[in-house]
Amino acid sequence: DAGVIQSPRHEVTEMGQEVTLRCKPISGHNSLFWYRQTMMRGLELLIYFNNNVPIDDSGMPEDRFSAKMPNASFSTLKIQPSEPRDSAVYFCASSLREQGYEQYFGPGTRLTVT
Amino acid sequence: DQQVKQNSPSLSVQEGRISILNCDYTNSMFDYFLWYKKYPAEGPTFLISISSIKDKNEDGRFTVFLNKSAKHLSLHIVPSQPGDSAVYFCAARADYGQNFVFGPGTRLSVLP
Repeated sequence: DAGVIQSPRHEVTEMGQEVTLRCKPISGHNSLFWYRQTMMRGLELLIYFNNNVPIDDSGMPEDRFSAKMPNASFSTLKIQPSEPRDSAVYFCASSLREQGYEQYFGPGTRLTVT
Repeated sequence: DQQVKQNSPSLSVQEGRISILNCDYTNSMFDYFLWYKKYPAEGPTFLISISSIKDKNEDGRFTVFLNKSAKHLSLHIVPSQPGDSAVYFCAARADYGQNFVFGPGTRLSVLP
């Protein structure tokens, strides 16, 4: 099993640019989560999906952030326009809801906005 | 306000000794707790869990203890090994949902 795949692994962009982070969950998993890790706030949940449907997006910081899951094998997190305070590591995780609550994390995308 | 706290940012332990990582929470509705381990440049990996109906769960060298009245849980690693050096996150869930709240993490260093 390839595990959760995220791309890109590193992204450096200028303030104001659009950033798109991508995630491929583990095949067969029906829940997908986007997290952001910063030194100040630790690991915080941004949004999660069950069966491709957004369930809780209360962690999305503001309207500049949006997430989609067009099918069971792909999700995107978009920031438009990006700001320096968005610099963080963004993790995607997936789980099989019926098998408990263990979430499998991807390697993360380190985003730097200059 | 942080609902899940890990008050020790770092911990150093000698190889072979016990490592004890602590976690405190404020929300009495939390009913399920997880510990994750994270190596640099990797995502967190699941380590061990405990339900609020239990006070102890053991898996090999790892044991998690839960004290509901004190809203406190701890992770014990015995014996500690250099490969255990990582950041450990405590996470808690409320009301049978899937939304876990993570603590800030504790960096464990096991010295050979």
